[in-house]
Amino acid sequence: KQEVTQIPAALSVPEGENLVLNCSFTDSAIYNLQWFRQDPGKGLTSLLLIQSSQREQTSGRLNASLDKSSGRSTLYIAASQPGDSATYLCAVTTDSWGKLQFGAGTQVVVTP
Amino acid sequence: SQTIHQWPATLVQPVGSPLSLECTVEGTSNPNLYWYRQAAGRGLQLLFYSVGIGQISSEVPQNLSASRPQDRQFILSSKKLLLSDSGFYLCAWSPGGDIQYFGAGTRLSVL
Repeated sequence: KQEVTQIPAALSVPEGENLVLNCSFTDSAIYNLQWFRQDPGKGLTSLLLIQSSQREQTSGRLNASLDKSSGRSTLYIAASQPGDSATYLCAVTTDSWGKLQFGAGTQVVVTP
Repeated sequence: SQTIHQWPATLVQPVGSPLSLECTVEGTSNPNLYWYRQAAGRGLQLLFYSVGIGQISSEVPQNLSASRPQDRQFILSSKKLLLSDSGFYLCAWSPGGDIQYFGAGTRLSVL
């Protein structure tokens, strides 16, 4: 059974610092991995999707890497801003139907 | 462009009452549709998914059911709510097993 773990559970950094969020999964047979952002009481916003054949994806200040063989993904957020404060979730897809298996998330606070 | 709508945003229901949550997608056809639940202190869990009208797959045994009466409509139901059904329910769609787009969610409190 696939298990997705996110470390740390919570993170607080001063504005301007780079953020590093970790995600690990137990079964390397994944179709893709997605990173999401969730603001309190809101739905999820997709940040980056990495296909199983890719090593990384970039969007603006965000960069996500994928090492499928070791079961790890890392989300980097450069030059953090208070607006980056949210919970970040990673999720893997293990079949062609797109069913997502989520980690518990990392709650990020960026202080001005 | 595609949009996804969920309603209601908030719902307070007594134990034993029925439930109907609705999700609709605009701007696409034949999407994959999903229902997830986020319970307090727990991660997001997939409840149901559908790859076509009338095709529903359940991921976990529970007090809930889902239906897809139209191509872009996904409904989550219960005949009798339990306290343990409380949580944040999210609907999502995908063009085909790839990137998923989520609705704003429904906060359900069962009292």
